[in-house]
Amino acid sequence: DVKVTQSSRYLVKRTGEKVFLECVQDMDHENMFWYRQDPGLGLRLIYFSYDVKMKEKGDIPEGYSVSREKKERFSLILESASTNQTSMYLCASSGRLEAFFGQGTRLTVV
Amino acid sequence: AQSVAQPEDQVNVAEGNPLTVKCTYSVSGNPYLFWYVQYPNRGLQFLLKYITGDNLVKGSYGFEAEFNKSQTSFHLKKPSALVSDSALYFCAVRVPYSGGGADGLTFGKGTHLIIQP
Repeated sequence: DVKVTQSSRYLVKRTGEKVFLECVQDMDHENMFWYRQDPGLGLRLIYFSYDVKMKEKGDIPEGYSVSREKKERFSLILESASTNQTSMYLCASSGRLEAFFGQGTRLTVV
Repeated sequence: AQSVAQPEDQVNVAEGNPLTVKCTYSVSGNPYLFWYVQYPNRGLQFLLKYITGDNLVKGSYGFEAEFNKSQTSFHLKKPSALVSDSALYFCAVRVPYSGGGADGLTFGKGTHLIIQP
């Protein structure tokens, strides 16, 4: 089975902190994605990566950056966390067809 | 730009009745279409996909979906609903990778499916 693992299920951070969300996949997929999920807004793409060190902005990249130094790992970085970044964050990986998701990280910024 | 519409925020169905969750899409080119399910505080689980071929595709947990190119729809169906089917369902579209970078999945806003005993 494909496995996508996010480092934390729940996180509480303070405003202004630098936050790292880590995601690891074990299927040698080229593509990896970070989404955020908010009620009534569905899933919105923050960033995606199609190869090591390659990244592209999604629909809502402001306030976020990403890092992909190794093929299996894709990190989402909140440079200075703000309360409006409180959300559920979902990582996914894919080959050419369906994507597989991690269990999600529920981030609360206080 | 590609987009997905799920016109119903919530669908209520009595247990044992057939269910339909609607999805329409807009893309340039031939799409790949997907359905995912999400249980509370969980990630998304893949249910089924349409790539090519037969317009009726079957997936996990007895779900199926019908691709209709003329109506640009990909509705999710199940002949007999179970209470355990209650969850949040997402439709997604992807245009086949054509080189030069990844193509992201585009999701609809989701439909809450509530199966009443």
